[in-house]
Amino acid sequence: KNEVEQSPQNLTAQEGEFITINCSYSVGISALHWLQQHPGGGIVSLFMLSSGKKKHGRLIATINIQEKHSSLHITASHPRDSAVYICAVLGRGQGAQKLVFGQGTRLTINP
Amino acid sequence: DSGVTQTPKHLITATGQRVTLRCSPRSGDLSVYWYQQSLDQGLQFLIQYYNGEERAKGNILERFSAQQFPDLHSELNLSSLELGDSALYFCASSVAIGPYEQYFGPGTRLTVT
Repeated sequence: KNEVEQSPQNLTAQEGEFITINCSYSVGISALHWLQQHPGGGIVSLFMLSSGKKKHGRLIATINIQEKHSSLHITASHPRDSAVYICAVLGRGQGAQKLVFGQGTRLTINP
Repeated sequence: DSGVTQTPKHLITATGQRVTLRCSPRSGDLSVYWYQQSLDQGLQFLIQYYNGEERAKGNILERFSAQQFPDLHSELNLSSLELGDSALYFCASSVAIGPYEQYFGPGTRLTVT
């Protein structure tokens, strides 16, 4: 079993829909990252969380440390949101120096 | 633009060869990370440097090595290349070690033929 599991692996939705991508992890962490990778390959960091909730524009990320679970929400989705979304966790102690990645969620928003 | 630069963007080479990938971190960032993204393995951490010193190692093959120079740029050396080394190689930087934002470069796409 991977240390970081994302669901769903693929998601197709219509423009305007509310999107939720989930991430569960099995280790103690110091932080969790949500990354976006566009078809061209470039990776953009969306959020880094260690507790609670963060919002940036139409994107909201939440984390529940006790349940070892995080969600990424996209409100009023748009075709330009189509990308792969990757959850990654940073461990504690010696593990606080390397990210462990989920397998990614491929999101397609149709107009 | 993250402020992290990587060269070259694309590299095509033959099995058995050696290549060097270069990364310049964001201004002010002391920590550099290297990641490999292949189709079958996804993103994997390779190695981290902080202010010139190696600080963490992940699933990095013995044929691969890296260093960070006094001006903080970093190089990843891949030798005795195999077909399976074909992948996207990303560099990222952060201000320090630990739970800090990581900024990713555009990546180098390596194709081994």
